[in-house]
Amino acid sequence: SQQGEEDPQALSIQEGENATMNCSYKTSINNLQWYRQNSGRGLVHLILIRSNEREKHSGRLRVTLDTSKKSSSLLITASRAADTASYFCATLLRGRRALTFGSGTRLQVQP
Amino acid sequence: EAQVTQNPRYLITVTGKKLTVTCSQNMNHEYMSWYRQDPGLGLRQIYYSMNVEVTDKGDVPEGYKVSRKEKRNFPLILESPSPNQTSLYFCASSRDPGTGSNEQFFGPGTRLTVL
Repeated sequence: SQQGEEDPQALSIQEGENATMNCSYKTSINNLQWYRQNSGRGLVHLILIRSNEREKHSGRLRVTLDTSKKSSSLLITASRAADTASYFCATLLRGRRALTFGSGTRLQVQP
Repeated sequence: EAQVTQNPRYLITVTGKKLTVTCSQNMNHEYMSWYRQDPGLGLRQIYYSMNVEVTDKGDVPEGYKVSRKEKRNFPLILESPSPNQTSLYFCASSRDPGTGSNEQFFGPGTRLTVL
């Protein structure tokens, strides 16, 4: 399986609810990033968390990183219909010079 | 406006007909990269460049070429396209010169169909 596996693959929630997506990876990383992609469009960077950080916030986004479990989670609070998109985690592996992306979580927020 | 541009946005071509997808960024980024996106496979890196005249293979470089003669441009060349190269292609750039570890800025994508 790929480095950076998101879970679940798809998630459907009502507006106002919180959405949680998880990402697992296999080897040591320098940092982990989350990106959003609206259908058929380019990816947009959301947040970066370094390997020595445990939690980071940006607006309605909260990212956690557990290097002992090799996992990260992205929490979107008070979701809106405009949050409907695919979300990808991307890891920078130690010794590599490129990000490795997972296959993404498709989030549908029902109005 | 800071951006990454790609052209064309859509292309339908036939097997074996050489094509080039252009990519340009106006942020003076040193790191540039090409990805392809296929259903269920996420984004896979094709090639990347850490600076002018410095390019390296990503995870799926077969069938592709790149060049980096100028800092702002990073064209993707398909010398002899085949149907398995039908995909959605993204160019991205980053200001980090060494590892691409900072956020990457993505272009809008090029949807390529090879018949």
